[in-house]
Amino acid sequence: QKEVEQDPGPLSVPEGAIVSLNCTYSNSAFQYFMWYRQYSRKGPELLMYTYSSGNKEDGRFTAQVDKSSKYISLFIRDSQPSDSATYLCAMNRDDKIIFGKGTRLHILP
Amino acid sequence: DAEITQSPRHKITETGRQVTLACHQTWNHNNMFWYRQDLGHGLRLIHYSYGVHDTNKGEVSDGYSVSRSNTEDLPLTLESAASSQTSVYFCASSEREENTEAFFGQGTRLTVV
Repeated sequence: QKEVEQDPGPLSVPEGAIVSLNCTYSNSAFQYFMWYRQYSRKGPELLMYTYSSGNKEDGRFTAQVDKSSKYISLFIRDSQPSDSATYLCAMNRDDKIIFGKGTRLHILP
Repeated sequence: DAEITQSPRHKITETGRQVTLACHQTWNHNNMFWYRQDLGHGLRLIHYSYGVHDTNKGEVSDGYSVSRSNTEDLPLTLESAASSQTSVYFCASSEREENTEAFFGQGTRLTVV
């Protein structure tokens, strides 16, 4: 079993819709939970990170962590065509960052 | 502004040749990482370093080596390039104390023919 599981998609949604992206993990040692966004032919960039169970909001983005279920989510409100990218969940342990495979998201105008 | 740069951006090489990919960061970060990204596999860790003269193997280290002689640079060497090493390679750096944000380079697209 992979430490971090993420559905690769692609996921296509109309502009303005709420997007839900998810990951599951198996290792209880993970401490920080991160979401990266990667545009085509670019390096990933950090969107946001959380440390504990619960929600964290940043503008149109909300990260949610449920440690009891080993499940994390990223919600995007009022999605825009510029949100079209690959979203990677990531978690760290022992100073290493472990990434999910990424979900390709298309926002349709 | 601080940044992390990779070179070359694109490279084509022949099977069996030794290839070195450069990574240079001006963040003064102790932690540096090399990943490869392939369709269906996501980002996989090749090697990483926590400081000068420190190197460690990641999950897909066979056929690769790194050396860390200073804080700014972590070159990745493919000892004898194989077609299975055709991939996009990303270098990243992060702070030691809070390893929550890694800054990535733009990537090197390597093709082994």
